Amino acid sequence: EDQVTQSPEALRLQEGESSSLNCSYTVSGLRGLFWYRQDPGKGPEFLFTLYSAGEEKEKERLKATLTKKESFLHITAPKPEDSATYLCAVFRNDYKLSFGAGTTVTVRA
Amino acid sequence: DAGVIQSPRHEVTEMGQEVTLRCKPISGHDYLFWYRQTMMRGLELLIYFNNNVPIDDSGMPEDRFSAKMPNASFSTLKIQPSEPRDSAVYFCASRRTGNYEQYFGPGTRLTVT
Repeated sequence: EDQVTQSPEALRLQEGESSSLNCSYTVSGLRGLFWYRQDPGKGPEFLFTLYSAGEEKEKERLKATLTKKESFLHITAPKPEDSATYLCAVFRNDYKLSFGAGTTVTVRA
Repeated sequence: DAGVIQSPRHEVTEMGQEVTLRCKPISGHDYLFWYRQTMMRGLELLIYFNNNVPIDDSGMPEDRFSAKMPNASFSTLKIQPSEPRDSAVYFCASRRTGNYEQYFGPGTRLTVT
């Protein structure tokens, strides 16, 4: 059975304290991996798509990387506005997304 | 460009009542998805459409749930009769052929008492 596991469940950071979020997966057929950001009371907001191992994408203080078994979302020098829940989702051969449970990041000023 | 639009944003209803959630996808997107999000189960795909045709409804929990897409700019998700365990946030998402990124609406928070 396909599984998408995110760790840690929650992450509390001081402003400027860099860290990484992990998304590990076991999927029978993987077409790609997506990262989304979700703020309270809102829908998930698309961040990145990664299609092959070794691929990296960057946007402001965020960088996503992909290996054959996991993906990392690195947050460099975070600011309070980076506080959100970050969701990863695997894009399967049947063209459906399977989401992880998310990592809730809180950045204190 | 307007994003995915959902209505209502909040719905409170009593057990046994019919509930209808509405979605307008992004113009030009030919795939539409309905998801449900709960603390226990996270984001789950309920059903998706391509060119207004239901393709996969294997995530629909039971016969009380039904979804339609009468045209390219409108879809509904109906629950009849509603039960307290249906309480969740329901999201609609859309994408276009050839671009696998799904764009989500703001969601409808459903509370069934």
